Amino acid sequence: AQSVTQPDIHITVSEGASLELRCNYSYGATPYLFWYVQSPGQGLQLLLKYFSGDTLVQGIKGFEAEFKRSQSSFNLRKPSVHWSDAAEYFCAVGSAHFGNEKLTFGTGTRLTIIP
Amino acid sequence: DAGVIQSPRHEVTEMGQEVTLRCKPISGHDYLFWYRQTMMRGLELLIYFNNNVPIDDSGMPEDRFSAKMPNASFSTLKIQPSEPRDSAVYFCASSLVLGGANTDTQYFGPGTRLTVL
Repeated sequence: AQSVTQPDIHITVSEGASLELRCNYSYGATPYLFWYVQSPGQGLQLLLKYFSGDTLVQGIKGFEAEFKRSQSSFNLRKPSVHWSDAAEYFCAVGSAHFGNEKLTFGTGTRLTIIP
Repeated sequence: DAGVIQSPRHEVTEMGQEVTLRCKPISGHDYLFWYRQTMMRGLELLIYFNNNVPIDDSGMPEDRFSAKMPNASFSTLKIQPSEPRDSAVYFCASSLVLGGANTDTQYFGPGTRLTVL
């Protein structure tokens, strides 16, 4: 069964500092990987996704993520955070095989930005 | 497009009452998902539909929960009778295709915050 681990429950970063949120997945075949962001009181919004090809994926709002198969990781990064980035971030894994349409989400990482 | 629409946004009810949550997916999307989000369990998939047909309801917690999709533009999640432990935020999401090389993004609605007293 596929699973996702986000080891950091809560991260605090100063505005303007760099950010890395960790995500490790477990899946027996080629995974499809996603990062979603949830602002308070809102639904989840897709930041970026990886299906194949270049392992460094660019997303919206200046975010990027790198797929590392050898480490089963898909960490999210941003070179300089803004106060508006404060939110909860979810990593998710899906199957590359047609017929398995589920996404499995991690438990999320809450990001706090301090001035 | 207006995105995924959910109603109501907030629902407060008393234990034992029936609760119905509603969802309108993005037009043209073939897949519809119902999720529940709690502090303790995070985001859980309850059930999903493909072309109005339930495909996997293994995440539905118990028989008190039921979901229907009578047509491509409407789905309901019903809890009867409701219990305090059902208090959570319930999200509906839809996607065009999922699985295989055409896997698409899931688009989430704003959620319904349910409180059962």
